[in-house]
Amino acid sequence: SQQGEEDPQALSIQEGENATMNCSYKTSINNLQWYRQNSGRGLVHLILIRSNEREKHSGRLRVTLDTSKKSSSLLITASRAADTASYFCATDAGGGSEKLVFGKGTKLTVNP
Amino acid sequence: DTGVSQNPRHKITKRGQNVTFRCDPISEHNRLYWYRQTLGQGPEFLTYFQNEAQLEKSRLLSDRFSAERPKGSFSTLEIQRTEQGDSAMYLCASSLWGLPNEKLFFGSGTQLSVL
Repeated sequence: SQQGEEDPQALSIQEGENATMNCSYKTSINNLQWYRQNSGRGLVHLILIRSNEREKHSGRLRVTLDTSKKSSSLLITASRAADTASYFCATDAGGGSEKLVFGKGTKLTVNP
Repeated sequence: DTGVSQNPRHKITKRGQNVTFRCDPISEHNRLYWYRQTLGQGPEFLTYFQNEAQLEKSRLLSDRFSAERPKGSFSTLEIQRTEQGDSAMYLCASSLWGLPNEKLFFGSGTQLSVL
C-alpha cells in the first residue's frame, strides 16, 4: 500500500511559472523525501526534509512539511522545460518497517 | 562512482518463461532495494537487503519472485513462470544505511514485457 499521495496527478504550466505539488501521508514519519523521474528512467533524489523541520530549500526547490496535517509541498520556482518529469514523495512506511514507500506521483509538463 | 547499474535494460519474454535481472549497487552501499513500477504509478516496494541479509519482503510478492544478494554486493531478481501481469519496470536502488539522511540512488531499471 502507498503511504504518500501526490496532488495534482498532472500539472501543465508555462516556462517561468512556479509549480507546486502536494503530498499527503497517513502515519507518523521520520523524514519525507522528494524524487524526480524522467520518462523511462530511474528516480533521482531531490531533497529530504526531517520530521522536525518545517521548510527546506535547495536551489529552485522549496519543500515544506506540516506534520500536524501530514502533508508536504514541493515548489519549483521559475520552471524550465527541462523540469518536465514525474515527481514523487516518499516516506518511511511506519510500523517498524524501514522501507521507503512512494506515492503515485505528479506528472509535470513545462511548456516552452 | 559509477552509480547503480541494472542489466538488461529491456527484456522481452514469453509467458511461462523464467527471467533474471541483475543489479550492481554503488560499491560502498550496504542496502539494496528492488521496486516494481507500472505505467502511471509510483514505485512499489518488493524487497530489500542489508548486506547479504534479506530484511523485508512485500506480502504482495508471490513465491514466483526470488531475490538474492550473495556476498552483499550485486543482487539478482528472478521471476519464475512469468505472467503478463509481471510486465513492468523493475527498479533497483542502493543506499548507505546508518547516515542520518538516508537517500536512495536508483538505477535506470529493467523494462520487462511478457508476451
